[in-house]
Amino acid sequence: GAVVSQHPSWVICKSGTSVKIECRSLDFQATTMFWYRQFPKQSLMLMATSNEGSKATYEQGVEKDKFLINHASLTLSTLTVTSAHPEDSSFYICSARDSGSLNEQFFGPGTRLTVL
Amino acid sequence: AQSVAQPEDQVNVAEGNPLTVKCTYSVSGNPYLFWYVQYPNRGLQFLLKYITGDNLVKGSYGFEAEFNKSQTSFHLKKPSALVSDSALYFCAVRDMTGNDMRFGAGTRLTVKP
Repeated sequence: GAVVSQHPSWVICKSGTSVKIECRSLDFQATTMFWYRQFPKQSLMLMATSNEGSKATYEQGVEKDKFLINHASLTLSTLTVTSAHPEDSSFYICSARDSGSLNEQFFGPGTRLTVL
Repeated sequence: AQSVAQPEDQVNVAEGNPLTVKCTYSVSGNPYLFWYVQYPNRGLQFLLKYITGDNLVKGSYGFEAEFNKSQTSFHLKKPSALVSDSALYFCAVRDMTGNDMRFGAGTRLTVKP
């Protein structure tokens, strides 16, 4: 099946710094990618939808200036958490939709962010 | 907008017994329904999906789910549970326009030896 990778798998950073998370579709093209966050013992909450070559669409309550999304190519989307705070600590999961295969959606393994 | 409800936070079953994890959905038009499993600190693993066709869908690891349009349900089932099935299970729905996937709150399945 199709593979989506995320890098890094985990990251620890100091409060006030910025962190970039990469999401790649390894063997298919994805015009649309999604970013989710998951708090402990909770469900996945959609943060934003990223379309290649255009601005991301953010869900209500998600600060677009804090969570910068770039989808510069058909296989790569990045999420940058700017000026991270401890409350941003979470599990971030990306998902990529295969443009050519019945719009199948595949999930990355997730990135654990801990802000000290 | 589409939504999914998983009414049980926790399901406990004994190894070898059948298991059911419940899911109901709300969507405009015909739904695309999915089940995923998540192990600790891991991403989602796809189990099965319903797009169209037979109401009984068979998926990975012996799991199956039955689409019931009149009850707007898509319950996950397995005839004989394994201890290794213990994990967090998510039901998800997409509408036919192909918009984003919405997840239920998740159900923690614990299978005891």
